[in-house]
Amino acid sequence: RKEVEQDPGPFNVPEGATVAFNCTYSNSASQSFFWYRQDCRKEPKLLMSVYSSGNEDGRFTAQLNRASQYISLLIRDSKLSDSATYLCVVRTTGNQFYFGTGTSLTVIP
Amino acid sequence: NAGVTQTPKFQVLKTGQSMTLQCAQDMNHNSMYWYRQDPGMGLRLIYYSASEGTTDKGEVPNGYNVSRLNKREFSLRLESAAPSQTSVYFCASTLVPRGATGNTIYFGEGSWLTVV
Repeated sequence: RKEVEQDPGPFNVPEGATVAFNCTYSNSASQSFFWYRQDCRKEPKLLMSVYSSGNEDGRFTAQLNRASQYISLLIRDSKLSDSATYLCVVRTTGNQFYFGTGTSLTVIP
Repeated sequence: NAGVTQTPKFQVLKTGQSMTLQCAQDMNHNSMYWYRQDPGMGLRLIYYSASEGTTDKGEVPNGYNVSRLNKREFSLRLESAAPSQTSVYFCASTLVPRGATGNTIYFGEGSWLTVV
């Protein structure tokens, strides 16, 4: 079983739409959770950390459900510039990071 | 503000050749990592170094060796390249303060390696 699993998509949505990505992780001892964004032929970059209380950064909202071992990312009012691959990332004890395979998003004009 | 720097950015090797990917970070991070990324496979850990002087195998270490030269530098060596090692390689680093949680991982720009 993979440490982190996420729907690969692709998600093709019109500008202005709301889109949600989900991710599950298998290690209940996981300590930290993140969403990273990766543009084509570029390195992954931190989009936001994810906290149990939920957190928001502009149009982006992340949620963590430790009981269900489930992480989500909601993007509201999608922009063309949001087109990218979104990686769910989990940090476990021993400072190991595990990555989902990524969910591809294309925002269509 | 360089962050994580890795070289070379692009390389073509013939089967059986050797090469070393170089990585350096200027953020005073103690942990460093080498990942490979293949289509549909996500990022897979090759080797990591929790601190200067230590290295450990990750998920896919076969065919690779690493050296943590000092706190800043962590190199990845392919001793005898094979076509299966054609991939994008990312070096990454993170800071692990005692008792801290939530520290994030930072990546270099990637090295595109083709083995023919």
